[in-house]
Parts: sequence; structure tokens; C-alpha cells
Amino acid sequence: EVQLVQSGAEVKKPGESLRISCRGSGYTFNTHWISWVRQMPGKGLEWMGRIDPRDSYINHSPSFQGHVTISVDKSISATYLQWSSLKASDTAMYYCARHISMDDSGWQPLGFDIWGQGTMVTVSS
Amino acid sequence: IQVTQSPSSLSASVGDRVTITCRASQGISSHLAWYQQKPGKAPKLLLYAASTLQSGVPSRFSGSGSGTDFTLTISSLQPEDFATYYCQQLNSISYTFGQGTKLEIK
Repeated sequence: EVQLVQSGAEVKKPGESLRISCRGSGYTFNTHWISWVRQMPGKGLEWMGRIDPRDSYINHSPSFQGHVTISVDKSISATYLQWSSLKASDTAMYYCARHISMDDSGWQPLGFDIWGQGTMVTVSS
Repeated sequence: IQVTQSPSSLSASVGDRVTITCRASQGISSHLAWYQQKPGKAPKLLLYAASTLQSGVPSRFSGSGSGTDFTLTISSLQPEDFATYYCQQLNSISYTFGQGTKLEIK
């Protein structure tokens, strides 16, 4: 079964650091870009950034650039989303999602076909 | 690129035909996807490239449009279709989502 499995819920204090993970299985991990998507409580979906597992090439949304770090460890089919200093406004559900693309380069995505189950991050003093 | 979805909410009955629209602030060719999200669950891909049905998605879902204007149509609502629907442009970074349409039972 093709799936993305994310790490469990986190409760943190403002200013703390955090890394959450997303591990792929059931497919060749390097062949699909991965995106991260935020959903704040009761709100819509926001695209944060994407990473190519083959070479760790990253694009960030300007809204998130500089506040989060996206990385990958292709040896264990995992991608990560990291914060160095959390804010209360980071409280949200975070999803990873696999791209489907027009060609092998993956440069032009068509959509996100496989999603992780989500990681709830709560930041509160 | 901004993506505007309408309506933001919609009440309908089982068996109804419903249409949700998505408008992009500039042309995005056919680089648009539609998702369904149920409470407490991750989104599910319904259609990509504006009109291509994702594998396993019932044929009552259809999509159309290109350029700036797109529609998602559900031909005959089933009880399991009551959910929130999002469009997403994938023409350029950032891959913006619409604000969502909550489809509720009348």
C-alpha cells in the first residue's frame, strides 16, 4: 500500500524548536516530490513548500520562507518540517502530500494524490 | 496567483446536482486540482488537470474549465459527498488553494 505516515501530535511552548516527519512507503520515494500543507483550526489549506527527494531541491511559499525548514533523508524515505522557534500562531494541523506530475522531472505537478494522516502541532504557554 | 472559490457554503439534498466554481486571478491553463476533505481527515484528490478523474473516484464527479474559470460538478449527491471541497492551482509557486466550499445537507 502506498502511504505517507507522519509523526505524532506535539505540544510545545513558544520559542521551542520542533521537527516533524513524514515517511513514505509502498513506492519509490525518490520519484515523487513532496509538499507540506498547513491547516489552522477551522480554516482552509495553505501550501507551505515542496521538496524533491532526489536532490533536496526546495521551493518555499513566501508566506513561510524563513520560518520553517523543509528537508529530506532519502535513505530512509523521510521528509521533515522543522521550526527553530515556535509561535502560538504555528498551532495547526500539518500534512505532507505526494505529487503526481506530468513527467519524470516532477517539475509541473498535477495534484497531490497521497496525503499523510496529519500532525497536530499545539503551541501554548 | 489568487484563487477564489464560490460559494463558501452550500446546502443541498441527496440526489441534487451541485456546481462549485473556482476562479484564478490569472490564467493557469488546466493546472487545477479539486479535493474533498471530511472532518478530521486528510484531503482526498478528486480531479487533476481540471477534468481528469483520479483513480477510484466515482464518475458523478466531473470538472471543467481552463484559463481562469473552472467548475466542479457532482451530478447526483450521495450521503458520503457532504464534505468541504477545495480547488488548487498548480500553475506556479505557490500552489494556492481556494478558501473551500462546505457542502451541507439541506
